[in-house]
Amino acid sequence: EIVLTQSPGTLSLSPGERATLSCRASQSVSSSYLAWFQQKPGQAPRLLIYGASSRATGIPDRFSGSGSGTDFTLTISRLEPEDFAVYYCQHYGSSPFTFGPGTKVDIK
Amino acid sequence: QVQLQESGPGLVKPSETLSLTCTVSGGSISRYYWSWIRQPAGKGLEWIGRIYTSGSTNYNPSLKSRVTMSVDTSKNQFSLKLNSVTAADTAVYYCARGPSPGGSYTFDPWGQGTLVTVSS
Repeated sequence: EIVLTQSPGTLSLSPGERATLSCRASQSVSSSYLAWFQQKPGQAPRLLIYGASSRATGIPDRFSGSGSGTDFTLTISRLEPEDFAVYYCQHYGSSPFTFGPGTKVDIK
Repeated sequence: QVQLQESGPGLVKPSETLSLTCTVSGGSISRYYWSWIRQPAGKGLEWIGRIYTSGSTNYNPSLKSRVTMSVDTSKNQFSLKLNSVTAADTAVYYCARGPSPGGSYTFDPWGQGTLVTVSS
C-alpha cells in the first residue's frame, strides 16, 4: 500500500498570496497517477489535478500540479477567497487507492 | 453531465449491515469503474472498493472481509454492503466514478455524500 503524507498540515495565507502544498509517497507512484482534490465544508471533494499536472475540466489555471516519482506539489498562484479549503492528494496507479491526510489552507 | 446520487438508511444498528445505492444519471454506467469512499466526521478520505460494470471488484484490504459491491446496469446503479458494522463505520459515504486500471481517469464526478450513523 502506498502511504501519502502531506505538508504542511495547515497553511495560513492571505488572498492574493501563493500557496505551495506538498505530497510525498512512500514509494514511487507509477506513471504519475497522482491527483489533487479540493474539499470545502459540507461538500464532496472536487477533482483539480490528475496525472500529476493536468487540470481537470473547468479548473482555473491558477491551480497547477508538478512532480513525479515520490514528490508532488500543488501550487495555487494567487489565492482567491473561494480557494480556502482542504486539499488532498491521492494516488490511483494501483489498488488500494489511498489519500493523503490533507492540507488545510485557511485565511491568515 | 454525469451525476451521482447516494441513497440508503441514515441509521444502522451495530452488528447489522449497511446498504447503500448509487444512482448514475446523465450518462451510462457501462464501461466505467465505480467506487465507494467514506469520510468520518472531521477526518480524511478512505477508499472502500471499486466495481466494473462486468461485476469485477477490488476492495480495500482493510475492509475486504466485510464489503460486497454489486452493479445493476439496467437501473444504472451500483451498490455497497458493509456487514458487522460498528461505531467506527459512522461516516459520510460517497460514490464516485473511477479510477480505471490504466489510470485514464480517477474519482470524478462524486455524489453529494450520505451520512450513515451506526448506533443502537
